Amino acid sequence: NAGVTQTPKFRILKIGQSMTLQCTQDMNHNYMYWYRQDPGMGLKLIYYSVGAGITDKGEVPNGYNVSRSTTEDFPLRLELAAPSQTSVYFCASSKEGTNEKLFFGSGTQLSVL
Amino acid sequence: QKEVEQDPGPLSVPEGAIVSLNCTYSNSAFQYFMWYRQYSRKGPELLMYTYSSGNKEDGRFTAQVDKSSKYISLFIRDSQPSDSATYLCAMRPGSARQLTFGSGTQLTVLP
Repeated sequence: NAGVTQTPKFRILKIGQSMTLQCTQDMNHNYMYWYRQDPGMGLKLIYYSVGAGITDKGEVPNGYNVSRSTTEDFPLRLELAAPSQTSVYFCASSKEGTNEKLFFGSGTQLSVL
Repeated sequence: QKEVEQDPGPLSVPEGAIVSLNCTYSNSAFQYFMWYRQYSRKGPELLMYTYSSGNKEDGRFTAQVDKSSKYISLFIRDSQPSDSATYLCAMRPGSARQLTFGSGTQLTVLP
């Protein structure tokens, strides 16, 4: 019973590089989310999706892109990495209409140097 | 001013103590209130969920919401070392999907 799986767990990028953070869930949840967590700042929503083919911006979308071609997968793309994107990234999913119970992955720690 | 304020701690208590964790908020539209627990290097997990004002109890945990004061609390009775974690409050209005999280309180329960 895997739940929400994120890869990689750790990554160091140079300024200007690109990468994709992978997220997959096996619970058949329609709703998926990407959050970033900075020390002392709580979780900030980057993008979310209510189903395959549908995505929407959250509170801090600048510098990121997402796609949702299947129910299971919700990758997050960083095109031109900047030091301000150094953070821990969490992917989450929930059942339709009840986003109180978010199921989180174990996170990706990203450093941009 | 942040929409949700939470004392970051750290908070350190002896085993068996009663712990009180709190959040204040400014948006009167918030109706759904949650507490998530996050262990080190893990994703958060839902601990308690309440709707509008009142209390909710689940084992050693009690969640309390006072909408008139815009104040929510989580009480942990008979605290255990396994309760050592960061506790995040979260809330949302009735119609919105997006949760607003507090910054988290780091709790350590000493054996």
